Amino acid sequence: RKEVEQDPGPFNVPEGATVAFNCTYSNSASQSFFWYRQDCRKEPKLLMSVYSSGNEDGRFTAQLNRASQYISLLIRDSKLSDSATYLCVVNRGGSYIPTFGRGTSLIVHP
Amino acid sequence: DVKVTQSSRYLVKRTGEKVFLECVQDMDHENMFWYRQDPGLGLRLIYFSYDVKMKEKGDIPEGYSVSREKKERFSLILESASTNQTSMYLCASSNPGGQSYGYTFGSGTRLTVV
Repeated sequence: RKEVEQDPGPFNVPEGATVAFNCTYSNSASQSFFWYRQDCRKEPKLLMSVYSSGNEDGRFTAQLNRASQYISLLIRDSKLSDSATYLCVVNRGGSYIPTFGRGTSLIVHP
Repeated sequence: DVKVTQSSRYLVKRTGEKVFLECVQDMDHENMFWYRQDPGLGLRLIYFSYDVKMKEKGDIPEGYSVSREKKERFSLILESASTNQTSMYLCASSNPGGQSYGYTFGSGTRLTVV
């Protein structure tokens, strides 16, 4: 099992739709979790951290399920500008070294 | 805002050349990382450093070395560039005391080895 796994997609959704991505991780000792966004030919940028109790930032909601070892990202009311690749990031065990998933591609169309 | 600056956006080098990729961060971060990103393979960790003069191998260190003489600067060195090192190289930094703040990336260097 890969350390961090994501469905590569693409997820092709209309504007206004709700879309959700999952990411599974293999190391139960991992403590830090993030979602990053990467636009084409640009660097990854932090979208949001993922906290144990779940957290929300506007249209974006992130959740952590430690028992099943996955994190999720929910995007409500999708905008054209949400089109990007979403990377799941998990720290390796108790370290500060991040492991990146290969990303999930989202395409929002009119 | 943390800023991570990579010296070159695009580079073209010849096979066998020694190549230096420079990365500078301005927020006193202790941890710095070098990744390469290739289509279908995602980001792969080459080397990382958690302090000045300290370095640790990542997952794919072969053909690379690094230097961290000052806290703000982390250099990636391709000792003898080969065509399979054509890639996007990304530098990142973070603060170990604030892992919840994530990692900040430079804008990347797209290296082509011909």
